[in-house]
Amino acid sequence: AQTVTQSQPEMSVQEAETVTLSCTYDTSESDYYLFWYKQPPSRQMILVIRQEAYKQQNATENRFSVNFQKAAKSFSLKISDSQLGDAAMYFCAYRSATRGAQKLVFGQGTRLTINP
Amino acid sequence: DVKVTQSSRYLVKRTGEKVFLECVQDMDHENMFWYRQDPGLGLRLIYFSYDVKMKEKGDIPEGYSVSREKKERFSLILESASTNQTSMYLCASSVIGALGVGYTFGSGTRLTVV
Repeated sequence: AQTVTQSQPEMSVQEAETVTLSCTYDTSESDYYLFWYKQPPSRQMILVIRQEAYKQQNATENRFSVNFQKAAKSFSLKISDSQLGDAAMYFCAYRSATRGAQKLVFGQGTRLTINP
Repeated sequence: DVKVTQSSRYLVKRTGEKVFLECVQDMDHENMFWYRQDPGLGLRLIYFSYDVKMKEKGDIPEGYSVSREKKERFSLILESASTNQTSMYLCASSVIGALGVGYTFGSGTRLTVV
């Protein structure tokens, strides 16, 4: 079974600075998808960024980018120019690309605080 | 705006009560999921359904059941609520086969069992 580990329960960063959230996963599969979700105090889970394992190029969405290291099974999220609105819980998630696989496996979450 | 709607944002129930958590989606998604979210444990899958009347156990199904009589509605049932079921419950849906798209989530139901 696949597992996802986020080893940083809490992180904080100064506004306008850069922060990196860590995520590692364990799988024997070669094809899969990885996601980062944000959960603000409103509790609505928002998809931040996703990465296909077969793509070597790291995904980027505006101020959010990932460092995908397939051999190391690592998938970190970098937030540049941090803003107050980035404060939230962040979850890393894994999904198999096997036909019929539907579920997401989540990590434990990292609470990110932005200091003004 | 497409949505996953959970019927209650907060719920307080007594030990031993039968509890129904309702989830409705308006996106014609085949897949629907129930997760519980606990501090330090992240989101853990309770049950999911890929079609009407079809269901599969997730990682922590004990003490729960589900019902999916219509495509848009997926209910989570706590047959006899216990205090260790106090948690945040999140419903989600997705298109079957669209593995790279991720889920659409509801806003969660925070259940307290006293």
